[in-house]
Order: sequence, then C-alpha cells, then structure tokens
Amino acid sequence: DTAVSQTPKYLVTQMGNDKSIKCEQNLGHDTMYWYKQDSKKFLKIMFSYNNKELIINETVPNRFSPKSPDKAHLNLHINSLELGDSAVYFCASSQPRGTRGETQYFGPGTRLLVL
Amino acid sequence: AQTVTQSQPEMSVQEAETVTLSCTYDTSESDYYLFWYKQPPSRQMILVIRQEAYKQQNATENRFSVNFQKAAKSFSLKISDSQLGDAAMYFCAYGAGSYQLTFGKGTKLSVIP
Repeated sequence: DTAVSQTPKYLVTQMGNDKSIKCEQNLGHDTMYWYKQDSKKFLKIMFSYNNKELIINETVPNRFSPKSPDKAHLNLHINSLELGDSAVYFCASSQPRGTRGETQYFGPGTRLLVL
Repeated sequence: AQTVTQSQPEMSVQEAETVTLSCTYDTSESDYYLFWYKQPPSRQMILVIRQEAYKQQNATENRFSVNFQKAAKSFSLKISDSQLGDAAMYFCAYGAGSYQLTFGKGTKLSVIP
C-alpha cells in the first residue's frame, strides 16, 4: 500500500506552460509538504500545510501555488514554467504531535523537465 | 537559521566493511530531532534512522547506528557490514517545530564489491 503517492512521476513540458503535480497520503497525517530538489541534489522546503492551512511559504515565486482540498491531498500548480523550474519535486507528510520534528514520509518524487 | 553541514560529498566503502558519514548542525534550540535519509538511484527518500535530542542514548537500526554528540552538534551515521544495496545519497536532516526539515547537501556513498 502506497503511503505517499505523487502523479505524475515524470513531466516534460515547454517553457510558458502551466502544469500541476498531485500528492495524496493515506497515513492519516495532518501535515503535508512540498520540497524541491535541484540538480545538485539539494533539498529545500517550499510549502507546508497543516490541517489544510498554509504554514510555511518559503521564498518561492508566485507562479507556484499549492492547494490542499483536504488533509490527505496537497497539489502543486505551476504557472508559466521556466527553465529553472526543472527539478525533482517531493511531497511529504508527517504527524507533528508536538511540532518538534516528527518523521516526514516522502513520495516518490516528480521529475519536471522544462524545455 | 538552522544549518546542516555534510562535509563529505562522496565516500566509498568495501562490501562488508564499516563506514561513517559525518554531519554537523547549528541550532540554538534544545529540543529537536535529527534524521538520516537514504536516496538510492530510484530517487525515493527513505528514512534510515532518527534521533531525539533529549535522548542521550544513540539510536540504532540493525546495521545502522548514530553517534550523537549534542554539545558538539554532531550526528554521524555508521553503517556496519556494508552491502551493495547501501549505495545511495545519504542526507542528514534537522527538525525542530518549524514544520520543515533542513537538509544537508548529501553524501554519495559507493559500495565496492
């Protein structure tokens, strides 16, 4: 049974297009995240949602808009894609009982390539 | 801001030998968690081991153990009896009540048969 799933796993698109990545978790967690992993493998937080409420919005261009329709889903929509958006995007979830760094469980990642 | 430093971009180990990956971090918090994640070529991020800062005892998970030195802000990962399947990127991460993990830049581990 998949705990955190993402679709699609691969996404190849042209500059200027709009695309979405979907994430779902069946762990019953309250908190979900989006991370970006660049070409040098560096992982950086983009957004955190707790109970559908935006908690963290790092310095991410406005072209990126997360949406959490319910606690089990956190989607990422990207407008006007740019070459620099090419990366692997990871969704993750956790149950922050004390918000003291509960374990985060990651999806398989979505490799986005912008041509 | 918290930072996590992995000073070894790449390491290699002979199969069945032991290897230690280093990680240091900077924080003013007293209560936090530390993690090691493994990322094989499949790209999946897999939790290897986690340590609560308030626990003095070092965490162990089968062949994986940590050396947690709170005063030195050091959190190294020891892999014993290395196996070919251990070849991967290893990321050290820090979490402390901020709804995010801060990751190091990773160490690429190669296992030589």
